[in-house]
Amino acid sequence: AQSVTQLGSHVSVSEGALVLLRCNYSSSVPPYLFWYVQYPNQGLQLLLKYTSAATLVKGINGFEAEFKKSETSFHLTKPSAHMSDAAEYFCAVSVTYRYSSASKIIFGSGTRLSIRP
Amino acid sequence: DADVTQTPRNRITKTGKRIMLECSQTKGHDRMYWYRQDPGLGLRLIYYSFDVKDINKGEISDGYSVSRQAQAKFSLSLESAIPNQTALYFCATSVGTAGISGANVLTFGAGSRLTVL
Repeated sequence: AQSVTQLGSHVSVSEGALVLLRCNYSSSVPPYLFWYVQYPNQGLQLLLKYTSAATLVKGINGFEAEFKKSETSFHLTKPSAHMSDAAEYFCAVSVTYRYSSASKIIFGSGTRLSIRP
Repeated sequence: DADVTQTPRNRITKTGKRIMLECSQTKGHDRMYWYRQDPGLGLRLIYYSFDVKDINKGEISDGYSVSRQAQAKFSLSLESAIPNQTALYFCATSVGTAGISGANVLTFGAGSRLTVL
């Protein structure tokens, strides 16, 4: 069964420091992977997605993620954190049904990112 | 106006009451979803609908029911609310015919916070 695990429910970094949010997936077939961001009192919005076109995926607001099949990982990074990056981040994997093109999204438990001045 | 609108945004109710959360969208998407968000658990899928005549249970459908009144409207009902249904509920939509990668990108509403006393 496909699933996704986010390591660390809370990550705190200083402004200007590297951001690294970890995500590992489990999938028996090549997965579609996503990072979504949730700002306070808002719904989730797509940050970036991996659909097998390129292993390094660039998203909005300077974030990027690298798909590593050997490590079954899809970690999210940003070279320099900004105060506006404080939010909750969700990794997600698509679940495709056998014998069908239908699919649904399974989310990880989320990582709350805090930025210290 | 928002692409995906949820009403009400906040609701406090008592155990045993019937509650309906409504979702409407202007995206023209075929697929609609209801998720529940709890701290530390991420988002869990309650129900999803790939078109007006296709409704499916998600991982945690017990205690919930849905109605897809039109392509643009998808309502979630709690027939007899209980305290452990206190959560933040999200409606989401996605396209249905733009290929697997397109079909997996979700557009979220701002959420409906439900408190059951």
